Amino acid sequence: GAVVSQHPSRVICKSGTSVKIECRSLDFQATTMFWYRQFPKQSLMLMATSNEGSKATYEQGVEKDKFLINHASLTLSTLTVTSAHPEDSSFYICSAIRYSGGGTQYFGPGTRLLVL
Amino acid sequence: AQSVTQPDIHITVSEGASLELRCNYSYGATPYLFWYVQSPGQGLQLLLKYFSGDTLVQGIKGFEAEFKRSQSSFNLRKPSVHWSDAAEYFCAVGADGTASKLTFGTGTRLQVTL
Repeated sequence: GAVVSQHPSRVICKSGTSVKIECRSLDFQATTMFWYRQFPKQSLMLMATSNEGSKATYEQGVEKDKFLINHASLTLSTLTVTSAHPEDSSFYICSAIRYSGGGTQYFGPGTRLLVL
Repeated sequence: AQSVTQPDIHITVSEGASLELRCNYSYGATPYLFWYVQSPGQGLQLLLKYFSGDTLVQGIKGFEAEFKRSQSSFNLRKPSVHWSDAAEYFCAVGADGTASKLTFGTGTRLQVTL
């Protein structure tokens, strides 16, 4: 089946630094990708919709200048957490829609971010 | 606004026993409903989905779910649980059939005892 990868799987950084997380669709082209944030023992919260070749659409309450999204190609979307703070520590999950065959959302394995 | 409630945070069942995970949703129009399973180190995997038609849907790994509009529920069932089914299960509702912009429940962690 379709595979979505994320890199890195785990990252630890100092407060004030920026961290980039990559999301790749490995065997299909994805014009639309999503970024979610998952807090411990909580649900996935949609942060933004990443559209290839255009600006991302952010959900209410998500700071677009804090969470920069770039969907530069049909197989890659990146999320950059700028000037990270401890409260940004979380599990970030991306997903991509494969429209062929009816459309299914495939999820990456997630990236654990810890900001010290 | 759409919402999903999974009342059970944690469920423990014995291997071979039957399983039912509850999911209730709130959505103004015809819902598109999904069940995903999340295992450590793995991405969320789609178990099954309901768009329309037969209210009992079959999924992978022997799972099934029944859509009950009158109860706003979409409970997940499996007649005989295997130890490998231990994972986190999420119910979600979407605005359309491509599963875009999903709203997830808080998840139910399933533990299987041998």
